[in-house]
Amino acid sequence: AQRVTQPEKLLSVFKGAPVELKCNYSYSGSPELFWYVQYSRQRLQLLLRHISRESIKGFTADLNKGETSFHLKKPFAQEEDSAMYYCALSVDSGGYQKVTFGTGTKLQVIP
Amino acid sequence: EAQVTQNPRYLITVTGKKLTVTCSQNMNHEYMSWYRQDPGLGLRQIYYSMNVEVTDKGDVPEGYKVSRKEKRNFPLILESPSPNQTSLYFCASSLSVLGDTQYFGPGTRLTVL
Repeated sequence: AQRVTQPEKLLSVFKGAPVELKCNYSYSGSPELFWYVQYSRQRLQLLLRHISRESIKGFTADLNKGETSFHLKKPFAQEEDSAMYYCALSVDSGGYQKVTFGTGTKLQVIP
Repeated sequence: EAQVTQNPRYLITVTGKKLTVTCSQNMNHEYMSWYRQDPGLGLRQIYYSMNVEVTDKGDVPEGYKVSRKEKRNFPLILESPSPNQTSLYFCASSLSVLGDTQYFGPGTRLTVL
């Protein structure tokens, strides 16, 4: 069965410092990987997905199949980046998507 | 405005009293699902639906039921709620059934006393 691991429950960084939120997955096939973000008192929303190769709000994530990782990075953290971040894996389960979320990492940017 | 709505947003109830949380999307999405969010456990899928009249269990289906009679609606039913179902519930939808972005509702905070 597929699995998503986010090893850090809380990550605190100072404003302007680099950020790396870790995500490792286990799945033997070709996964679709996503990062979702949940700002305080707001609904979850997509931040980015690996197939689009975009940079959203300064964040990037590269899929590393060798290390089965999809870490989220930003060179300079901003206070408005403080939020809960979830890594998610979507796989084909008999013709339908099966989505598995990690347990989430709370990012706290200290002014 | 394209969105996923849930009602109610907050609910306090007692053990054993049947309740329904509604979910509706106006984007003509095929795929809908329910999650519960608990501290330290992240998001866990309860049930999902690939289309009208097609549903299947997620990772934590015990104590829940769903139905998909119309494409836009996907209610979550708790026939006999228990305190361990106290949680924050999210409904989500996506356009297709394969590897697509999910759009989430605002969440329903349920407390079972």
